[in-house]
Amino acid sequence: AQKVTQAQTEISVVEKEDVTLDCVYETRDTTYYLFWYKQPPSGELVFLIRRNSFDEQNEISGRYSWNFQKSTSSFNFTITASQVVDSAVYFCALFNTGNQFYFGTGTSLTVIP
Amino acid sequence: DSGVTQTPKHLITATGQRVTLRCSPRSGDLSVYWYQQSLDQGLQFLIQYYNGEERAKGNILERFSAQQFPDLHSELNLSSLELGDSALYFCASSVTGDPGNTIYFGEGSWLTVV
Repeated sequence: AQKVTQAQTEISVVEKEDVTLDCVYETRDTTYYLFWYKQPPSGELVFLIRRNSFDEQNEISGRYSWNFQKSTSSFNFTITASQVVDSAVYFCALFNTGNQFYFGTGTSLTVIP
Repeated sequence: DSGVTQTPKHLITATGQRVTLRCSPRSGDLSVYWYQQSLDQGLQFLIQYYNGEERAKGNILERFSAQQFPDLHSELNLSSLELGDSALYFCASSVTGDPGNTIYFGEGSWLTVV
């Protein structure tokens, strides 16, 4: 079975705090891809990162960083020094070789000024 | 701006009616995807096309149909609409539709069925 779990439904942090959004996935495939998308209040989905299953290197992009650990089937997303503009719903997703895209239920992040 | 264009942005229609949502993929992208985002079901994959042919099918109802035209734009047809069809419908595109491609989403079409 393919599945993506984002156990945190809602998170609130005060501006400048760091926050980590958890993502745990299930798949029997050896080749797969993991994504994070941001959905601001306006509704569109904005691509943040793609990772393939053979690349466990962590990635940093500005204030964003991602920690991919196959041993725990997790692909967590950390925002450092959060800002109000980071307030959004964040989706983790799994794309497998069957061309199916599985989304988590999303984590709603509120950054309080 | 992802480069994926969806129209209309907002649509209100009555139960039993039929609507068509339109999507233009990013320039150079051959594959188009449709997703439905509703409050109770979350983000659900509906269907994928590649260069005019259906490639993958998800949780798409029989009342819904889609196609991709020779110019690569796609339409999602929703018929016999029910209140539960009210949702945000996303179109997305990628270069070849293979799992390694990044998928870029449009801004979505808000459908309200009253």
